[in-house]
Amino acid sequence: ETGVTQTPRHLVMGMTNKKSLKCEQHLGHNAMYWYKQSAKKPLELMFVYNFKEQTENNSVPSRFSPECPNSSHLFLHLHTLQPEDSALYLCASSKGGVRGSRTDTQYFGPGTRLTVL
Amino acid sequence: KQEVTQIPAALSVPEGENLVLNCSFTDSAIYNLQWFRQDPGKGLTSLLLIQSSQREQTSGRLNASLDKSSGRSTLYIAASQPGDSATYLCAVRSSGTYKYIFGTGTRLKVLA
Repeated sequence: ETGVTQTPRHLVMGMTNKKSLKCEQHLGHNAMYWYKQSAKKPLELMFVYNFKEQTENNSVPSRFSPECPNSSHLFLHLHTLQPEDSALYLCASSKGGVRGSRTDTQYFGPGTRLTVL
Repeated sequence: KQEVTQIPAALSVPEGENLVLNCSFTDSAIYNLQWFRQDPGKGLTSLLLIQSSQREQTSGRLNASLDKSSGRSTLYIAASQPGDSATYLCAVRSSGTYKYIFGTGTRLKVLA
């Protein structure tokens, strides 16, 4: 148990569907992250929220829309996705915000396995 | 632009062997380097974090070393066990940024 939970764990959706991924951290951290992990590719950072403010959008298509209503919750809203968006989506959090100390590590959730048909 | 490479991509060893996983990075101006473990279908678990001023870190049977000048880190696993089977990821945080750049990982299988 890492203190970061993600729901749902698995999601299958059609290209015309709208769905949302949810992440919750119970660690009192100040930064939250969305990553995409595709087969045989390195983890790709998608979005970063620092103290509820978005500080990074790593050239992510607009069909992915993040939302961070408070420092404990992070959502990723999905609409009109493409089959190539199928991947494992990981949420992470870190304690001291994005500028945190040299010893700050990121704590990851278990991920949502997304399949787009 | 920081790039992180991990070799080998996959490794299969008999139980009890000592083994070394390699990570190389192109920009030596780093803040820290982390090794993570990922079990199939699951998230990442941090194993060891080495700050830029450190040469190595140890936790149980794991030892990670850092040589910034050559752009390399190694993760040494002593007396490997089947429970060590997982993918091991190296991630580098460059100086002046908060982003971690990840390698593609080494998939380790320890045979009983």
